[in-house]
Amino acid sequence: KNEVEQSPQNLTAQEGEFITINCSYSVGISALHWLQQHPGGGIVSLFMLSSGKKKHGRLIATINIQEKHSSLHITASHPRDSAVYICAVGDQGAQKLVFGQGTRLTINP
Amino acid sequence: DGGITQSPKYLFRKEGQNVTLSCEQNLNHDAMYWYRQDPGQGLRLIYYSQIVNDFQKGDIAEGYSVSREKKESFPLTVTSAQKNPTAFYLCASSTQLNTEAFFGQGTRLTVV
Repeated sequence: KNEVEQSPQNLTAQEGEFITINCSYSVGISALHWLQQHPGGGIVSLFMLSSGKKKHGRLIATINIQEKHSSLHITASHPRDSAVYICAVGDQGAQKLVFGQGTRLTINP
Repeated sequence: DGGITQSPKYLFRKEGQNVTLSCEQNLNHDAMYWYRQDPGQGLRLIYYSQIVNDFQKGDIAEGYSVSREKKESFPLTVTSAQKNPTAFYLCASSTQLNTEAFFGQGTRLTVV
């Protein structure tokens, strides 16, 4: 079993829909990261959080430390949101980032 | 503008040849990392460095080598010992281990 599990692996939705991507982890963490990878391959950091909730524009990230679970929400989704979204956790014990497999999101016009 | 630069974006090499991938950052970050990404898999850590002249093996270091002679630079050499070198390689940096990481645009290596 992977230390970081994301769901769903693939998600297709219509423009305007509310999107939720989930991330569960099994290790003790220092922080959780949400990353966005566009088709060209480059990765952008969206959020780093260790508790509660963060919001940036149409993106919202939440984390529940007790349940070892985080969600990334996108409101009013747009085709330009189409990308792979990656959850990564800072593993306290191993002192490294551990990555989920990513969720491929496609937003159709 | 501060950032992290990988070059080249695409690289082709013949089997049996060593190849070096470049990673440079001007963010004054102490920590630098190399990851490998294969289709359908998450990023896997090859090597990381917390400070100049020091580096540690990651989960899949076999067949790779690195150096950290300068704070700004962390080149990765894919040696002929790496059995499946064709992959997408990403470099990242951060102020310390496990703080927010900044990623390069990646190098897609194809070995023929």
